[in-house]
Amino acid sequence: GNSVTQMEGPVTLSEEAFLTINCTYTATGYPSLFWYVQYPGEGLQLLLKATKADDKGSNKGFEATYRKETTSFHLEKGSVQVSDSAVYFCALKSSGDKIIFGKGTRLHILP
Amino acid sequence: KAGVTQTPRYLIKTRGQQVTLSCSPISGHRSVSWYQQTPGQGLQFLFEYFSETQRNKGNFPGRFSGRQFSNSRSEMNVSTLELGDSALYLCASSSNTGLGNTGELFFGEGSRLTVL
Repeated sequence: GNSVTQMEGPVTLSEEAFLTINCTYTATGYPSLFWYVQYPGEGLQLLLKATKADDKGSNKGFEATYRKETTSFHLEKGSVQVSDSAVYFCALKSSGDKIIFGKGTRLHILP
Repeated sequence: KAGVTQTPRYLIKTRGQQVTLSCSPISGHRSVSWYQQTPGQGLQFLFEYFSETQRNKGNFPGRFSGRQFSNSRSEMNVSTLELGDSALYLCASSSNTGLGNTGELFFGEGSRLTVL
């Protein structure tokens, strides 16, 4: 079945550091890929998405590229801020199927 | 536009009791999904409803059930509660294409259930 694997956290970085959170997937067909973010005490919210191979999703300085050849959708940001501290979830959806989430990666940014 | 509203936000139950959680989706959204979030397992899919019909179901026992009403509001019920049911239960709504929801989910803040 479909699955998502993302790097375990917590990830701790200093402010202005470069961020990468790895995500790989297993799926039949051509799924859509997503990154969701959960700030403390809140529900999840969509951060960015990509619907086909080589698409790049971007939002709030975060980027992720849909790599079919490596079945990956790594999340990157060039310069993180304290306000980026949150839990990040990689997710996929195949046509007509439910959305599958990874287990989440907790990110701590130190001032 | 109002977001997804879940009630109650917090509740405490004892083993063997049952609980009903409610979710009001964003106006115009007809798809509602439920997830269980725990520190160890992350987000586990419970079920998805569209136009009062269950469209997808996760791997949870029959103690977990849900329904959707004609106004798209949804409820989930857990009967005979166990300690392991303690979790944050998240509801999410979505717009739809002909092949199912788009994958862009709008989440509520969740209902945190503690089973003693």
